[in-house]
Amino acid sequence: DQQVKQNSPSLSVQEGRISILNCDYTNSMFDYFLWYKKYPAEGPTFLISISSIKDKNEDGRFTVFLNKSAKHLSLHIVPSQPGDSAVYFCAASAWGNDMRFGAGTRLTVKP
Amino acid sequence: EAGVAQSPRYKIIEKRQSVAFWCNPISGHATLYWYQQILGQGPKLLIQFQNNGVVDDSQLPKDRFSAERLKGVDSTLKIQPAKLEDSAVYLCASSRQGVNQPQHFGDGTRLSIL
Repeated sequence: DQQVKQNSPSLSVQEGRISILNCDYTNSMFDYFLWYKKYPAEGPTFLISISSIKDKNEDGRFTVFLNKSAKHLSLHIVPSQPGDSAVYFCAASAWGNDMRFGAGTRLTVKP
Repeated sequence: EAGVAQSPRYKIIEKRQSVAFWCNPISGHATLYWYQQILGQGPKLLIQFQNNGVVDDSQLPKDRFSAERLKGVDSTLKIQPAKLEDSAVYLCASSRQGVNQPQHFGDGTRLSIL
């Protein structure tokens, strides 16, 4: 059962523009959401997180938005840089347990 | 701080053989996780330890997979016997104790079954 879905396998944007990566979930018990970035042959690297009591969290160029009613979250990267090219995974957990990951979105930032 | 260490990085075995993976978490991290990542998919949680106790192993195929964390630090994951569908990257992660703590991942072990 896919409780966390990333429906776009890939995204291509121009350097300097905004990248928007989307994620949907089905389990209403999820209360903590994270984004991870993964380069080839490396493990996922934690990027940013948000708890269900918030609807926005910012860290530098990265902002995560949470819409609980729509069971949707998104990651905004502004401005996008070529070094941001990687696979991005959305993840969610309930009470700190049973973390579920989406299948990932491959972001390509073109110079 | 040093990251999560995993070994080996790569392993090739034949089906029905056994294999073991090792993980050393970030110092002070009480929670340790093993994930299986099949090509084109996101990581799937196999087992979660809190210190040396199992918190969740509901997705661990217990007929062939086993894991232990005897002293609450290092952990090993074993597959015996391996099947072709076990070909994947096995990731170890750790986090501080408490809810809403991000997990930090090692670089994984890529397992190929011939």
